[in-house]
Amino acid sequence: GQQLNQSPQSMFIQEGEDVSMNCTSSSIFNTWLWYKQDPGEGPVLLIALYKAGELTSNGRLTAQFGITRKDSFLNISASIPSDVGIYFCAGQRNKLVFGAGTILRVKS
Amino acid sequence: EPEVTQTPSHQVTQMGQEVILRCVPISNHLYFYWYRQILGQKVEFLVSFYNNEISEKSEIFDDQFSVERPDGSNFTLKIRSTKLEDSAMYFCASRRPGEGFANYGYTFGSGTRLTVV
Repeated sequence: GQQLNQSPQSMFIQEGEDVSMNCTSSSIFNTWLWYKQDPGEGPVLLIALYKAGELTSNGRLTAQFGITRKDSFLNISASIPSDVGIYFCAGQRNKLVFGAGTILRVKS
Repeated sequence: EPEVTQTPSHQVTQMGQEVILRCVPISNHLYFYWYRQILGQKVEFLVSFYNNEISEKSEIFDDQFSVERPDGSNFTLKIRSTKLEDSAMYFCASRRPGEGFANYGYTFGSGTRLTVV
């Protein structure tokens, strides 16, 4: 089946630092989505990417859809304590396939 | 901001019992989904539903699972005879196809935590 490899598994960073995480797959996806999940909540959409090569920003977040359509990265600049959570990438063809998540912890 | 509403937020059930998880998708959305997340693991696709029928289902979605849209607003997931390994967060999601960031993404509910004892 379709699998996404997300890395890193977890990060513990200083407030103000930049963060980078990525997802790769052996399958091609039509859309890449990045979600954040807080404890006890459902995933909340951060950024959606529709075209290969697309680079999109949403505030301090920047994400890119890889040219091969098999990968994507998410960058968070100048991290703050409320960035703490689990970040999931998801690729879409007919359904969403999720990565295993990156746990982000921020030291203030 | 429109929301996907799920009830109950927590459900504890005995093994072998039937449970029904309920969802009210966003009213103008056309595609409906159930996903599952076992504690500490990734979100997994269960089933998608469009035009009053299942459009795709995963290997997890076996004969003990069923979905229904009994009226114009509710979307339910029934687990007929629960097993211990069905314990998980179950998320409903809905989607309205269309261009643009605001319209294309899935909207997830807050989930139902199912505990089978």
